[in-house]
Amino acid sequence: SQQGEEDPQALSIQEGENATMNCSYKTSINNLQWYRQNSGRGLVHLILIRSNEREKHSGRLRVTLDTSKKSSSLLITASRAADTASYFCATASPGSGNTGKLIFGQGTTLQVKP
Amino acid sequence: DGGITQSPKYLFRKEGQNVTLSCEQNLNHDAMYWYRQDPGQGLRLIYYSQIVNDFQKGDIAEGYSVSREKKESFPLTVTSAQKNPTAFYLCASRSGAGDTQYFGPGTRLTVL
Repeated sequence: SQQGEEDPQALSIQEGENATMNCSYKTSINNLQWYRQNSGRGLVHLILIRSNEREKHSGRLRVTLDTSKKSSSLLITASRAADTASYFCATASPGSGNTGKLIFGQGTTLQVKP
Repeated sequence: DGGITQSPKYLFRKEGQNVTLSCEQNLNHDAMYWYRQDPGQGLRLIYYSQIVNDFQKGDIAEGYSVSREKKESFPLTVTSAQKNPTAFYLCASRSGAGDTQYFGPGTRLTVL
């Protein structure tokens, strides 16, 4: 089952511009995570935000979480060609207990043109 | 060099055959997961294991089987009962204390 939807499905920007991706989810969560996937590769964890947090930063990444709207956004500032990848949000819900089960969105494909 | 490995990278299967995908980790993680990814889609959970000799079905377990005889290893068998097995398969692991999953490089399975 897919917990959330990501928007947009695809995004194309010029190097140096900012990229914003949005994730909406349906049920309550313990945390929301963002992962990156280069074409044909495994996923790499970027950042985790807990349900009691509203904003988190890591380098050029900024994540916000609005639990009242059941949504999150990932902002990549000053994008580089190397940021070209697919980005997925994943949620862990209270009902998962200690299983660590995540439900992934369908992803946003980002292309950064040099 | 710690990490999670999957083999083979590419696998071709004839219809009616069972195939086994390997997943090994040296991160000393308790939990391991198998996901399926179809083109342009997110990941769907096939099976997961929180401890040796125990595993649970995920959302799309039909046509798949797993074992967890060692902490380091969590092989996935795609059986002939899986009618549409062509996909990208990803294995992940997680330490008991953490929330982050660490992924292997994936195996692309194609049915000929």
